[in-house]
Amino acid sequence: GENVEQHPSTLSVQEGDSAVIKCTYSDSASNYFPWYKQELGKRPQLIIDIRSNVGEKKDQRIAVTLNKTAKHFSLHITETQPEDSAVYFCAASIGGKLTGGGNKLTFGTGTQLKVEL
Amino acid sequence: DGGITQSPKYLFRKEGQNVTLSCEQNLNHDAMYWYRQDPGQGLRLIYYSQIVNDFQKGDIAEGYSVSREKKESFPLTVTSAQKNPTAFYLCASSTRDREGRETQYFGPGTRLLVL
Repeated sequence: GENVEQHPSTLSVQEGDSAVIKCTYSDSASNYFPWYKQELGKRPQLIIDIRSNVGEKKDQRIAVTLNKTAKHFSLHITETQPEDSAVYFCAASIGGKLTGGGNKLTFGTGTQLKVEL
Repeated sequence: DGGITQSPKYLFRKEGQNVTLSCEQNLNHDAMYWYRQDPGQGLRLIYYSQIVNDFQKGDIAEGYSVSREKKESFPLTVTSAQKNPTAFYLCASSTRDREGRETQYFGPGTRLLVL
């Protein structure tokens, strides 16, 4: 089955700096890569995702890049702010169904990001 | 995310006891999932259901059981066979849009503790 590895496990940056979190996946058939943010004691929330037909996607201060050949994808956060402090999870899945749903996500182990003042 | 609810927020289990965690969604999503989250680890899939009256084992199904009798409900039972049930349990649901994008939305979670 799919295996997703995520690095680093903890990341500390100064406010205003950039943060980069990297993930690798094992199954070349995976074609959907979401990123979730989880604040302490709360539910994970989707912040950005990318499909395998694009190499990069950006949403304000957040961007994700995908290298299908190398089977890795990364989350980039620019101009970090204290409210960016949270645990970030990457995930991968194989999307095959046209309707409905039910494609399994395999998650990385998470990165604890701390933005220091 | 407010369309997915889980109860209770905290649950205590005694030795040898089965307990059931509730998950309800009003998003009209076909698929529902149960994950377990332990400290320092990612979310691990316990069971998932793509449609009513159908479900599949995930990566760590041993000691758990589910049912999917209604589209909006996907309860998880933690049986006495699960020897280390203390964890944060997250339910999610999803559907695929016309562009083929499928997003999983999570409930607020249930924290299960063993007495």
